[in-house]
Amino acid sequence: GENVEQHPSTLSVQEGDSAVIKCTYSDSASNYFPWYKQELGKGPQLIIDIRSNVGEKKDQRIAVTLNKTAKHFSLHITETQPEDSAVYFCAALFDYKLSFGAGTTVTVRA
Amino acid sequence: NAGVMQNPRHLVRRRGQEARLRCSPMKGHSHVYWYRQLPEEGLKFMVYLQKENIIDESGMPKERFSAEFPKEGPSILRIQQVVRGDSAAYFCASSPPGQGASPLHFGNGTRLTVT
Repeated sequence: GENVEQHPSTLSVQEGDSAVIKCTYSDSASNYFPWYKQELGKGPQLIIDIRSNVGEKKDQRIAVTLNKTAKHFSLHITETQPEDSAVYFCAALFDYKLSFGAGTTVTVRA
Repeated sequence: NAGVMQNPRHLVRRRGQEARLRCSPMKGHSHVYWYRQLPEEGLKFMVYLQKENIIDESGMPKERFSAEFPKEGPSILRIQQVVRGDSAAYFCASSPPGQGASPLHFGNGTRLTVT
């Protein structure tokens, strides 16, 4: 099965700075990589995703990059705001199932 | 368009009791996934269902756990004879036909506490 590793486990940034979260996956057949944001007491919410035929995707302050050769993908949040504080999960799709990383707790300091 | 609805939001059971968790997928979605999340951990796949069919239950314990997605009504995750180790948040997710898990839309979960 697919194995997804995520780093760092915690990340503290000053408001306005950038945050970067990195993930690696094990199965080269994976072709879809979503990122989810989870706030306390809620379910994961899809914030951005990328497919294997694309190297980079951007949506306002959020961007994701994918390196298929190295089997890693990253989430970039620019101009962080207090409402960006949450737990972020990367995931990889293999054999119609999503496998998730262990999560990154992001804290944005005002 | 309502999102994925799960109930109850919180469920407390004593050891040995049964827990029944319900999930109504988004309108038009026919694929349902159940995931379990332990405190401060990621989401672990349990089971993937389509209407009246279990497609993959490889992540679900062989004993005490069962899942169904009937032709009519919500998907049900059932845990018999609960133990303390079953305490976790259980999330349901759905997707439209033909798209597998890309993307998945999650509900807000049921938090099960076993006392």
